[in-house]
Amino acid sequence: EAGVAQSPRYKIIEKRQSVAFWCNPISGHATLYWYQQILGQGPKLLIQFQNNGVVDDSQLPKDRFSAERLKGVDSTLKIQPAKLEDSAVYLCASSRAGVYGYTFGSGTRLTVV
Amino acid sequence: TQLLEQSPQFLSIQEGENLTVYCNSSSVFSSLQWYRQEPGEGPVLLVTVVTGGEVKKLKRLTFQFGDARKDSSLHITAAQPGDTGLYLCAGPTQGAQKLVFGQGTRLTINP
Repeated sequence: EAGVAQSPRYKIIEKRQSVAFWCNPISGHATLYWYQQILGQGPKLLIQFQNNGVVDDSQLPKDRFSAERLKGVDSTLKIQPAKLEDSAVYLCASSRAGVYGYTFGSGTRLTVV
Repeated sequence: TQLLEQSPQFLSIQEGENLTVYCNSSSVFSSLQWYRQEPGEGPVLLVTVVTGGEVKKLKRLTFQFGDARKDSSLHITAAQPGDTGLYLCAGPTQGAQKLVFGQGTRLTINP
């Protein structure tokens, strides 16, 4: 079974620029999550999708962050404009059965300078 | 809000020593999960504990879920350099199908 694919692996941008991350979940996994992991901290949920619908985006800074999951498969997370405090690893996870069976991708490390 | 507190945040020990890391909450969780995360990678699930008082063993790793289902511990016997990593505990939020994570314990095993 192929894992969760994320790209790019690394990204360096200047503040106020925009950036987008891509995630391809495991085939058949209806639920997709985006987490933000700041250095030295545990992952924090940004948004949860069930198929192509948003289940929870209460922690997503909607003034600058947006996410979509077209056709209930791939997902993109966008930041526009980026701030220094957005420097973090952005992790995508997918699950077939809720909280049991989370599989994470390798993440995208974003550095905002 | 359900919070998970992990301790210690950092632990550096010599190869061959034993160690225990803790995950505590004031809330009851239906289950808890432990993950290990290596640099440049996503967290990888080690174990899920679902019953109060449950003990699970994974080679040299022993996981325990508290009787009241508010805490968990991870004990490593005879630690090896390959055990180095960030250990995260996580639990499902009430009524929702997502995980909340602790801040992690960064473990370093020195040869």
